[in-house]
Amino acid sequence: SQQGEEDPQALSIQEGENATMNCSYKTSINNLQWYRQNSGRGLVHLILIRSNEREKHSGRLRVTLDTSKKSSSLLITASRAADTASYFCARGGSNYKLTFGKGTLLTVNP
Amino acid sequence: SAVISQKPSRDICQRGTSLTIQCQVDSQVTMMFWYRQQPGQSLTLIATANQGSEATYESGFVIDKFPISRPNLTFSTLTVSNMSPEDSSIYLCSVDPGHVVNYGYTFGSGTRLTVV
Repeated sequence: SQQGEEDPQALSIQEGENATMNCSYKTSINNLQWYRQNSGRGLVHLILIRSNEREKHSGRLRVTLDTSKKSSSLLITASRAADTASYFCARGGSNYKLTFGKGTLLTVNP
Repeated sequence: SAVISQKPSRDICQRGTSLTIQCQVDSQVTMMFWYRQQPGQSLTLIATANQGSEATYESGFVIDKFPISRPNLTFSTLTVSNMSPEDSSIYLCSVDPGHVVNYGYTFGSGTRLTVV
């Protein structure tokens, strides 16, 4: 079952602006992962944050994790048209399975 | 990280027929996962395939409909059997990052299936 809920479902911004996507989950995690999917193709892993971490950076990406609220956020700074894609959070549990959220469709307008 | 070659990338099939999707990994991996992504939806895990044992299916998915083979540590197939239009989806395989639970997973490029 899908245990990650993301908001917003869709986000449209202008190039250069920041995009923030949120993810909530219901059960315990080993880690929380974020993936990008372009036009219904394969998923690309963006960043992983462990359950004992609170913030992580990778290039223009910043992820936060609040285990007390069972939520995470993905911030993309200085967005580009090429960032247009669907973004999914996925809960990593102890059984090696990933449980995906519903995703956010990000559109970056040139 | 592993590289996965998934075939076919897309297919249009007649209802009642079957399609086998292949995933070839460039390194040996313990677990492979098969997902379905229905139009406009997120990914739902179909089953986990370990080499040398039967696949473990998630609730709502059965072996007769989605038989899986895992003959060795670099290859797996998923068959979508007796297809109906409701099976039109993207199917993706994925591999675990090894015996380290805190690394990202690698996905195949997906198979876009349309059943007519």
